[in-house]
Amino acid sequence: AQKITQTQPGMFVQEKEAVTLDCTYDTSDPSYGLFWYKQPSSGEMIFLIYQGSYDQQNATEGRYSLNFQKARKSANLVISASQLGDSAMYFCAMREISSGSARQLTFGSGTQLTVLP
Amino acid sequence: NAGVMQNPRHLVRRRGQEARLRCSPMKGHSHVYWYRQLPEEGLKFMVYLQKENIIDESGMPKERFSAEFPKEGPSILRIQQVVRGDSAAYFCASSPLGQGANQPQHFGDGTRLSIL
Repeated sequence: AQKITQTQPGMFVQEKEAVTLDCTYDTSDPSYGLFWYKQPSSGEMIFLIYQGSYDQQNATEGRYSLNFQKARKSANLVISASQLGDSAMYFCAMREISSGSARQLTFGSGTQLTVLP
Repeated sequence: NAGVMQNPRHLVRRRGQEARLRCSPMKGHSHVYWYRQLPEEGLKFMVYLQKENIIDESGMPKERFSAEFPKEGPSILRIQQVVRGDSAAYFCASSPLGQGANQPQHFGDGTRLSIL
């Protein structure tokens, strides 16, 4: 079973608009962390934002915010005021804390975001 | 502060040759993770190492692949007798001892391996 599901292979957004990238996850571990990474065409992996399973508030980092709905097991990334430089592949990832999984990250298949001028 | 350093950035090998990928973690980090990214896919965990110790290699293919992280020097991911299916981007990430659950893994820029 997929642990991280990103159902949008590609998304388009107009410059300066907001966009939401979907991520759902599956775990029985009560303690876990959710991460979003950006991978531009140059290929590096850039950490964007983190949400812990016990965090009461949604995480925010500048123009990035995470819409965390624990009961629905979703952790959608919201990018406000899109910029052309936001065009990239975006990956949702999860780390299960108490399952003894050595703390590696499990990644979704990614969403390719294109910002239109 | 130097980040995670991977080299080479690009590596071309012919089928049957050996590929060696190197990863130097961030200063002060003693844990290294290797991931593989096939075209159009997300990253898949391969192996987790501490200095001189493999902690978890559950994602590593049983044959032809090996990894080490010696007391001195970089971590090495070694692929023997490469085949076309090994063509991928290989990423290394590092973390400090006692990494908190909320701390992200810091990735290198990856090595793009192409098999002719």
